[in-house]
Amino acid sequence: EIVLTQSPGTLSLSPGERATLSCRASQSVSSSYLAWYQQKPGQAPRLLIYGASSRATGIPDRFSGSGSGTDFTLTISRLEPEDFAVYYCQQLTFGQGTKVEIK
Amino acid sequence: QVQLVESGGGLVKPGGSLRLSCAASGFTFSDYYMSWIRQAPGKGLEWVSYISSSGSTIYYADSVKGRFTISRDNAKNSLYLQMNSLRAEDTAVYYCARSGDGYTFDYWGQGTLVTVSS
Repeated sequence: EIVLTQSPGTLSLSPGERATLSCRASQSVSSSYLAWYQQKPGQAPRLLIYGASSRATGIPDRFSGSGSGTDFTLTISRLEPEDFAVYYCQQLTFGQGTKVEIK
Repeated sequence: QVQLVESGGGLVKPGGSLRLSCAASGFTFSDYYMSWIRQAPGKGLEWVSYISSSGSTIYYADSVKGRFTISRDNAKNSLYLQMNSLRAEDTAVYYCARSGDGYTFDYWGQGTLVTVSS
């Protein structure tokens, strides 16, 4: 079973700053199936990125994904107030999540 | 628009059973893989099970294998999860989610809470 490890656990940033979230797989995974989700309290997760780098419908271009093999990254170029949330990477199973909180 | 609505959650005693349902609308249900994903209170997401569009391919997480059964009725646009031998650690919000490739979940329901407690 592939284990996805996300870092950091918590990221404390201010609006307007750049956020860089990491997801490392225990073995090489297909980029075609690597996705990122955003979850806000009390809400279902929302698909942000699929295929490691493709934005889902309606996702702003400040969100970008990159990576291959075992190392993947989600970047939020300039944090908006609505971006403070928990983010999960996933390739069938999920990483443990990174919380992006307001500094 | 795509809608997924879960139902069937509630309070059940350890060792008990529960059947969750997910009613789908706004898309051709029989064209898509479907999955159940759960989230224990204050915890992360855990993929539970998926079923292919025809129902011929099914996978389960090790944590539920042998206790949970996923099924679907394409004529009724519905997904199901039969949960037996429930344990306290099965307490979670259960989401159904749609997938085009079996791996990426593009639409999610709002979830139904299952609480296993005596």
